[in-house]
Amino acid sequence: DTAVSQTPKYLVTQMGNDKSIKCEQNLGHDTMYWYKQDSKKFLKIMFSYNNKELIINETVPNRFSPKSPDKAHLNLHINSLELGDSAVYFCASSQPGQGDDTQYFGPGTRLTVL
Amino acid sequence: GQSLEQPSEVTAVEGAIVQINCTYQTSGFYGLSWYQQHDGGAPTFLSYNGLDGLEETGRFSSFLSRSDSYGYLLLQELQMKDSASYFCAVRDEGNTPLVFGKGTRLSVIA
Repeated sequence: DTAVSQTPKYLVTQMGNDKSIKCEQNLGHDTMYWYKQDSKKFLKIMFSYNNKELIINETVPNRFSPKSPDKAHLNLHINSLELGDSAVYFCASSQPGQGDDTQYFGPGTRLTVL
Repeated sequence: GQSLEQPSEVTAVEGAIVQINCTYQTSGFYGLSWYQQHDGGAPTFLSYNGLDGLEETGRFSSFLSRSDSYGYLLLQELQMKDSASYFCAVRDEGNTPLVFGKGTRLSVIA
């Protein structure tokens, strides 16, 4: 009965490769997000989708391409991986309209680029 | 844009009380939230203040003063399991994303 799940949990790959991370939520939320947390634990939003529509696209290289096939899924594809992409990537979901906009985070995907 | 300031590290003794402060600068304001993250884990929601005052949830309380652009998280009866990073986060408008502070690493010692 996991609320927000993402796969894989760990991803180790070489520079220049292309990889994808998948995320699914079973909370019935309309909004999903991708966050990046760097080695200093700074948590920064990358993208936000509401009902499959992109609503937030922060300053992220266009090597990163999110895709939402339906409102329960938000995947992240990364092309031409670079060393600086090494980080933990968190998927999250929330229900708009609630004042606190509580974010429910997935377990994270630790990406290591060699 | 928004910016948040919180201490990078705090150490406290088991059973004690600790306060983690957060000051923010935003063009608008739509509430201050707090999240907890254990090492290797995901951030989890702790509390939210939309209005001035104190919100209490068990051993944790959160306070907000909008006029001072300031809030804090208060943890009472500290336990070892409270050792974690604590993030404050704000939104400046209803449809804008949460912006997180850089986190405060709390170490609880015996």
